[in-house]
Amino acid sequence: NAGVTQTPKFQVLKTGQSMTLQCAQDMNHNSMYWYRQDPGMGLRLIYYSASEGTTDKGEVPNGYNVSRLNKREFSLRLESAAPSQTSVYFCASSEDRMNTEAFFGQGTRLTVV
Amino acid sequence: AQSVTQPDIHITVSEGASLELRCNYSYGATPYLFWYVQSPGQGLQLLLKYFSGDTLVQGIKGFEAEFKRSQSSFNLRKPSVHWSDAAEYFCAVGLWNFNKFYFGSGTKLNVKP
Repeated sequence: NAGVTQTPKFQVLKTGQSMTLQCAQDMNHNSMYWYRQDPGMGLRLIYYSASEGTTDKGEVPNGYNVSRLNKREFSLRLESAAPSQTSVYFCASSEDRMNTEAFFGQGTRLTVV
Repeated sequence: AQSVTQPDIHITVSEGASLELRCNYSYGATPYLFWYVQSPGQGLQLLLKYFSGDTLVQGIKGFEAEFKRSQSSFNLRKPSVHWSDAAEYFCAVGLWNFNKFYFGSGTKLNVKP
């Protein structure tokens, strides 16, 4: 089982460039999430999507946009990258019920120079 | 606001020694509680979860955690640590009705031979 797949695994951007991080899950989950992980700060929620066609802001949405393309895919876009967006980005998904956990991808390490 | 606190940033234990990682949460009701482990360069893997019932839960790799409502804590324990347990450990709270998971800042475990 592939689970949650993120691409790319590594990326270096120049300040001001744009890029899209891709995420796909094959577990038929309704809910999907984007987190960023920074040293000493754990994982912070950027955006989430409770179902296809819906997205909501998390704790740190500024500078990001998302698209829930279909039930499987949830992309994260940086329109104009800034050094403060250097981070490791994780996509996750979960079922839409009470006793469930989030399943994570392997992460994308993004460096903005 | 909901929060998850892991007071220990780094912990070093000797191989074979016991381990306890602390986690406290702040939330108005009993949330769903999780412990995840992250090996270097990897995604997050679920160790165990608590939703209701028995307050002592068993997980993978010999880990267990105890939910204490009176202390708003969900501490992770292992009786005898192995070198392969060296990793970063994250406590998380799940808020099902809001489709969100909140993470602590993590505890890095170092295991001495």
